[in-house]
Amino acid sequence: QKEVEQDPGPLSVPEGAIVSLNCTYSNSAFQYFMWYRQYSRKGPELLMYTYSSGNKEDGRFTAQVDKSSKYISLFIRDSQPSDSATYLCAMSARPLQGGSEKLVFGKGTKLTVNP
Amino acid sequence: GAVVSQHPSWVICKSGTSVKIECRSLDFQATTMFWYRQFPKQSLMLMATSNEGSKATYEQGVEKDKFLINHASLTLSTLTVTSAHPEDSSFYICSARPLWGETQYFGPGTRLLVL
Repeated sequence: QKEVEQDPGPLSVPEGAIVSLNCTYSNSAFQYFMWYRQYSRKGPELLMYTYSSGNKEDGRFTAQVDKSSKYISLFIRDSQPSDSATYLCAMSARPLQGGSEKLVFGKGTKLTVNP
Repeated sequence: GAVVSQHPSWVICKSGTSVKIECRSLDFQATTMFWYRQFPKQSLMLMATSNEGSKATYEQGVEKDKFLINHASLTLSTLTVTSAHPEDSSFYICSARPLWGETQYFGPGTRLLVL
């Protein structure tokens, strides 16, 4: 079983739809959860960052973490064509010692929002 | 804030030559920088982690003599692909973790094509 599972899609929705993107994970040591947006041929851009169970909202984006179920979600409200991109979930565990923290990424979900 | 740049953005080279890619954190200091590789329609694969002033830590299966990493300062890390071959053609992305933070900020990536 992979550490992080993410449905690669592709996912196609009409403009204005609510989009739900999800990842599951198996390593209970993961404490930090991120969502990145990556446009074609560009580096990932950090969208949301959270480290506690529950919801975190930022504009049209809501990140949800359920540590008991090892499940995280990203919701996009009123989706726009400019939201068309690949969305990557990522997570990390607090290191045992101070230093670098490895991010483990999902494969990414390709989203297309149609005008 | 938290901007990371990479140079060059793309490079084409002949087989057998070496290519250097620079990663800079423009408005923050980064104790740790990461180098990733991404193949088409695949997620990011961590190649190595570099801490300023010390040797890089390479992931399993990544040849340290082929992918030389130098982290000379808190704002600059370089990746040199030595004796590049066509199978090294890929999208290379760096990220940097600020002194004050726990997450990573990504550069725009460098596309390498080895002929």
